[in-house]
Amino acid sequence: DIQMTQSPSSLSASVGDRVTITCRASQSISSYLNWYQQTPGKAPKHLIYDASTLRSGVPSRFSGSGSGTDFTLTINSLQPEDFAIYYCQHSYSIPGTFGQGTRLEIK
Amino acid sequence: QVQLVESGGGVVQPGRSLRLSCAASGFTFSSYGMLWVRQAPGKGLECVAVIWNDGSNKYYADSVKGRFTISRDNSKNTLYLQMNSLRVEDTAVYYCARDSSSGWYGGSRFDYWGQGTLLTVSS
Repeated sequence: DIQMTQSPSSLSASVGDRVTITCRASQSISSYLNWYQQTPGKAPKHLIYDASTLRSGVPSRFSGSGSGTDFTLTINSLQPEDFAIYYCQHSYSIPGTFGQGTRLEIK
Repeated sequence: QVQLVESGGGVVQPGRSLRLSCAASGFTFSSYGMLWVRQAPGKGLECVAVIWNDGSNKYYADSVKGRFTISRDNSKNTLYLQMNSLRVEDTAVYYCARDSSSGWYGGSRFDYWGQGTLLTVSS
């Protein structure tokens, strides 16, 4: 299976900051990369697909980039509701493994 | 609006069986692939089973292969996960989710999720 590794595992930031989360695949996955957001006690929410395409309704402060093995999720001007755990997930092949998650905490 | 509502979780002893259900509404269920994703306490996400829209293809993670069976009843808009020979390590919140297409493909995404149902396997 393709392994997905996120960094950092956690980070602290303040409202209004810009943050970047990195996701690396163990082999090339083209642009078949999704990002999800999970807040405590809730189901994950899909944010971005095909590495850089924002799902309808997702705020434009979220953006994704990358292809091949290296990908990033950037959140500009952090809002209080953005503090959550973020997961990358590839969809290159079944089973579409997830990264271990990045916990974004309020500083 | 799309809704996925899981049920059937609970506390069971190791070696026993349980069936989870996921009632879908707000979309044409028979047009979409569906899947189960689990999350052990404090851990990440694992896709354990996938089924194509018409049930023609299924996938299982190695961790559950031979013990779990995914199925669907398109006439009832319901997804199932039959879990046999349960182990302590199967303890998790189980989410059902919708694939963005009729079945897995490069570019699939899990665009809607249920609220999850908790399975605890303990003696």
